Amino acid sequence: QVQLVQSGAEVKKPGASVKVSCKASGYTFSAYSMHWVRQAPGQRLEWMGWTDVGNGNTKFSQKFQGRVAITRDTSANTEYMELISLRSEDTAVYYCARRESSSWYYYWGQGTLVTVSS
Amino acid sequence: QSVLTQPPSVSGAPGQRVTISCTGSSSNIGTGYGVHWYQQLPGTVPKVLIYGNNNRPSGVPDRFSGAKSGTSASLAITALQAEDEADYYCQSYDINLSGVVFGGGTKLTVL
Repeated sequence: QVQLVQSGAEVKKPGASVKVSCKASGYTFSAYSMHWVRQAPGQRLEWMGWTDVGNGNTKFSQKFQGRVAITRDTSANTEYMELISLRSEDTAVYYCARRESSSWYYYWGQGTLVTVSS
Repeated sequence: QSVLTQPPSVSGAPGQRVTISCTGSSSNIGTGYGVHWYQQLPGTVPKVLIYGNNNRPSGVPDRFSGAKSGTSASLAITALQAEDEADYYCQSYDINLSGVVFGGGTKLTVL
């Protein structure tokens, strides 16, 4: 069965960076793109970006432009999301989600809590 | 501020019907891109209820239905149950932003 397993919780200081991994299993990794979504405590879901496996292009929300990178290790069936220059407002649960047609999500990772605190 | 606007809260008694609206614009819901709905129980991962405006994944009860008209969409829940108490989010794609957009979320309270 399809599974997306994310790396564990992180605590970071302001200005640091964090790299969250999302390991996929149960399907052909190279056939599906992954999107990244985050949710601050008590707040709404917020789309961050994705890499289109079809053409390799990445697209990020304007809010995260210049601070986020998404990379993929196809040999390990793992995608990574790195967010730099962390600030307290980046404290959130970060999710990876497999993109289905027209960008909806059936399969989600379990979420990774990133806490940014001095 | 979310690109897609949802009411912050709705409520209903067990057995009743409630609807949750999602208002967008000509650059998102008003395009040919579909609207999708998610249910998020407290402390859990979002679960898709409706995709592509009005399609239910297998396993989602037919008490949940979606509709889209113009630049708005709605999620209807009939025969409300206590376990329906959750946050609900609409989602689409915005061509001006070239990205996925979510609504602000609606908290459903079952009285």
